[in-house]
Amino acid sequence: RKEVEQDPGPFNVPEGATVAFNCTYSNSASQSFFWYRQDCRKEPKLLMSVYSSGNEDGRFTAQLNRASQYISLLIRDSKLSDSATYLCAVNPLYSGGGADGLTFGKGTHLIIQP
Amino acid sequence: GAVVSQHPSWVICKSGTSVKIECRSLDFQATTMFWYRQFPKQSLMLMATSNEGSKATYEQGVEKDKFLINHASLTLSTLTVTSAHPEDSSFYICSARGDSSYNEQFFGPGTRLTVL
Repeated sequence: RKEVEQDPGPFNVPEGATVAFNCTYSNSASQSFFWYRQDCRKEPKLLMSVYSSGNEDGRFTAQLNRASQYISLLIRDSKLSDSATYLCAVNPLYSGGGADGLTFGKGTHLIIQP
Repeated sequence: GAVVSQHPSWVICKSGTSVKIECRSLDFQATTMFWYRQFPKQSLMLMATSNEGSKATYEQGVEKDKFLINHASLTLSTLTVTSAHPEDSSFYICSARGDSSYNEQFFGPGTRLTVL
């Protein structure tokens, strides 16, 4: 089983719609969770950290479900500029080397259509 | 805040040559930086953790003698791809951890390496 899994999409969504992504992780000891946005041929940019209690930032809401080992991202009132690849990242916090490195999913490709 | 730069942004080199990539934290000190690699349509894969003043820690399967990492100061880490081959062609991205205890990482713009 892969450490971090995401549906690759693409998700084709009309402008103004609400879209949700899920991401599952295999390491139950994981402590930190993030959503990054990556545009074509660019570096990932931090979109949101995901806290245990869930958090919201404008049109974006992130949730964490530790029991089922998944995190989610909800985008409301989607804009054309939201078109990108959304990467889920997990800090596995294992002992030894690379304790702080992030494990990424392959990303979910989102296309907002006018 | 939390701006990370990388240089060069792209490089084309001949097989067998070595390429050095620089990663700098511009507005904060980073005791730890990370090097990732991303092949087309694949996820970012952690290559190594770069620690200021000490040896880098490499992920399983990453050859430390091929990917030399130096982290001589709190704002600069370098990755040298030695004796590059076409299969090393990839998007190399560094990141630095911010000040938050939650371990957010901020990425440099990446270096696209093409080995002919």
